[in-house]
Amino acid sequence: DQQVKQNSPSLSVQEGRISILNCDYTNSMFDYFLWYKKYPAEGPTFLISISSIKDKNEDGRFTVFLNKSAKHLSLHIVPSQPGDSAVYFCAAKNAGNNRKLIWGLGTSLAVNP
Amino acid sequence: DAGITQSPRHKVTETGTPVTLRCHQTENHRYMYWYRQDPGHGLRLIHYSYGVKDTDKGEVSDGYSVSRSKTEDFLLTLESATSSQTSVYFCAISAARHSSSSYNSPLHFGNGTRLTVT
Repeated sequence: DQQVKQNSPSLSVQEGRISILNCDYTNSMFDYFLWYKKYPAEGPTFLISISSIKDKNEDGRFTVFLNKSAKHLSLHIVPSQPGDSAVYFCAAKNAGNNRKLIWGLGTSLAVNP
Repeated sequence: DAGITQSPRHKVTETGTPVTLRCHQTENHRYMYWYRQDPGHGLRLIHYSYGVKDTDKGEVSDGYSVSRSKTEDFLLTLESATSSQTSVYFCAISAARHSSSSYNSPLHFGNGTRLTVT
């Protein structure tokens, strides 16, 4: 039973355009959300996070939007660069179990030159 | 680079043999974690540690044990490896040094150990 769902296994965009990666969750107790990026043969790398008290967090080219009523978050990358090609994982944490991150299955992003 | 080293990077072993994976950190962080990553399951927590000799189970702890005798080292042991334990294993540390600030601290991961049990 996936509590964190990334319904698009892959996404392809042109360099310079916007990449939008989506994540849905089912547990209304989740109060903190994170995005990680993973290159082959490396561990995941933290990208950006958002608390449930906010609806947007921005860091350079990366912006995460949170829609709590829809239980949906998205990661926007603008402009996309070939070096952004990686697998992106959405993860969530709930206040009642603060050691446990629940992970989505990932979306593989390909940014084409 | 968060100063996390996993060893070995690759290992092939036979069913029934014991295997120990090592995670070494140079950051003096209190919290350390072991995850496994499998197709169709994402990352799943095996065990974690919140200090020397303080460990607890994650969601997929059966068949695994851990030890942490020093702050910098967190060992994962498969007492008798099975084919279902073929996976990529990631160690992670929490960026926070103290529990009061650890909740929203992101994890920093090592580069993984690919374990194949034949």
